[in-house]
Amino acid sequence: NAGVTQTPKFRILKIGQSMTLQCTQDMNHNYMYWYRQDPGMGLKLIYYSVGAGITDKGEVPNGYNVSRSTTEDFPLRLELAAPSQTSVYFCASRAADRGDYGYTFGSGTRLTVV
Amino acid sequence: AQSVTQLDSHVSVSEGTPVLLRCNYSSSYSPSLFWYVQHPNKGLQLLLKYTSAATLVKGINGFEAEFKKSETSFHLTKPSAHMSDAAEYFCVVSDANSNYQLIWGAGTKLIIKP
Repeated sequence: NAGVTQTPKFRILKIGQSMTLQCTQDMNHNYMYWYRQDPGMGLKLIYYSVGAGITDKGEVPNGYNVSRSTTEDFPLRLELAAPSQTSVYFCASRAADRGDYGYTFGSGTRLTVV
Repeated sequence: AQSVTQLDSHVSVSEGTPVLLRCNYSSSYSPSLFWYVQHPNKGLQLLLKYTSAATLVKGINGFEAEFKKSETSFHLTKPSAHMSDAAEYFCVVSDANSNYQLIWGAGTKLIIKP
């Protein structure tokens, strides 16, 4: 069981470039989440999805977009990278019927925008 | 609205001495509370969780936490620190009213002195 897989693990972007952070889970979880973690801070929710075709904004959505065309995949898109988006990004998933028992986190993507 | 406050950004203890990491929460409903650990350049690992059963919760690696509703606290303790405990620790709250979204504290960095 792979769990939640994030790619890439590291990336350096130039200001204004675009990229997609990939997140895939193989547990058939309905709920998926994208968080960012800035130095000295806890995780902040960017976007989440409660199922294929349904997404919603979290606490810090500006500068990001998401899509959920399948249950397994929840990519995060940065259209015009800015230095403020330098952060570590975590994807997570959980089953709908397990409440907050069942969160599984990916290993993170460390993004630097220069 | 929910919130979490970790009262110390850094805690430094000597190896073999007790550890206390403090967390206060705010929640309008019956909360679930968690402690996660993040070792340097690693992902997130669940240490323990409180979900309205016993107020004293035992987790992995000898850690435990006590839920005190009257004090709105969920402090993390360990009787004897080990060098391998050096990491960042996050207190997290969620509840059913917010569809089990996780609200994260800013983290406490635990430093172990030899």
